[in-house]
Amino acid sequence: TQLLEQSPQFLSIQEGENLTVYCNSSSVFSSLQWYRQEPGEGPVLLVTVVTGGEVKKLKRLTFQFGDARKDSSLHITAAQPGDTGLYLCAGSTSGTYKYIFGTGTRLKVLA
Amino acid sequence: DSGVTQTPKHLITATGQRVTLRCSPRSGDLSVYWYQQSLDQGLQFLIQYYNGEERAKGNILERFSAQQFPDLHSELNLSSLELGDSALYFCASTLSSGGVYGYTFGSGTRLTVV
Repeated sequence: TQLLEQSPQFLSIQEGENLTVYCNSSSVFSSLQWYRQEPGEGPVLLVTVVTGGEVKKLKRLTFQFGDARKDSSLHITAAQPGDTGLYLCAGSTSGTYKYIFGTGTRLKVLA
Repeated sequence: DSGVTQTPKHLITATGQRVTLRCSPRSGDLSVYWYQQSLDQGLQFLIQYYNGEERAKGNILERFSAQQFPDLHSELNLSSLELGDSALYFCASTLSSGGVYGYTFGSGTRLTVV
């Protein structure tokens, strides 16, 4: 069974701090996505990475796909209260039509 | 508004009952996915339909069933409900059969079984 583990599970930080969230698996993924979910809403896609070693930036968010395509990280610079939410990674292996979602990291940024 | 519509938003029902959750995909999307999200188990894939046909199955219980209609809306039927079925149920849609361009999620249906 494919499993995507995220760490940490919970993170509470002060506004302005930096943080990194990790997504790890023993499986090789053809692509990996990151989503943010706010309370009462569905997850919203932030980014898709497909190439090993790929780095993508979205304003203060930096996403990296591991060289072996088994892991990924999300780094947030100067976190703001609006970054609060549940961050989910999701990976797809070749030949499948569905993405497996990670266990999630619940981030709270305090003003 | 993501374009994916789920109804109802909240549902409270008793054990043993049957409920139907409805999802209208984003305009133009052919594929619909159902997910269950509970506090201790994250987002669990249940089932996928593409253009009316079942495409993939996840950890869906036999008490649960789904279908996608010719107008592409989908319904998830949950029967013989148990307390443990209480969760958020999300529908997501994509243009193609795979999610490579990302899933568009609805706002979910919160099911409470009492």
